[in-house]
Amino acid sequence: AQKVTQAQTEISVVEKEDVTLDCVYETRDTTYYLFWYKQPPSGELVFLIRRNSFDEQNEISGRYSWNFQKSTSSFNFTITASQVVDSAVYFCALSEAVGYSTLTFGKGTMLLVSP
Amino acid sequence: DAGITQSPRYKITETGRQVTLMCHQTWSHSYMFWYRQDLGHGLRLIYYSAAADITDKGEVPDGYVVSRSKTENFPLTLESATRSQTSVYFCASRGLQVTDTQYFGPGTRLTVL
Repeated sequence: AQKVTQAQTEISVVEKEDVTLDCVYETRDTTYYLFWYKQPPSGELVFLIRRNSFDEQNEISGRYSWNFQKSTSSFNFTITASQVVDSAVYFCALSEAVGYSTLTFGKGTMLLVSP
Repeated sequence: DAGITQSPRYKITETGRQVTLMCHQTWSHSYMFWYRQDLGHGLRLIYYSAAADITDKGEVPDGYVVSRSKTENFPLTLESATRSQTSVYFCASRGLQVTDTQYFGPGTRLTVL
């Protein structure tokens, strides 16, 4: 069975601070996908990134970066120079690479960025 | 270019009533999913579908029924609503390939009194 753990329930930072959201996963599959979704206060779920299990390159997109480490089964997400608009709940998710490829979500981390 | 829509966006009903939540996507995606979001649980999969007339149970299917007579629609029915089904319900869809991203609808907030 697959499992995603986001140990940080809530994080509060002041604007311009860097913040890292942790994600640890469990799976028996050798090939799988990892995702991050953002849920702002308006409620919709916004796709941020997908990583393949065979691609351990870190990725940077503007102020966002992702650190995928297969050895520790982690897929952490860092926001550099956080902004108030980054305030949201962030979900890490895992899917198998075959069949329905359903998503298994972590419980989410609420990030509050104050001015 | 609506993408994926859900209706109603908000619904209040009473215990024991039947409720149907609608989901419609315009991408002709093969796969569709229903999740519920509850505080402390994240999102949990209720049902999913690979194509018209092909559906399967997810993690929390009890009390729910789905159908998929057309590719673009995937309604979720609560046959006899209970208070424990008060939640936010998200529909999602994905293309045929496992590498395709799953996109979500705006959600339906359901309250069962």
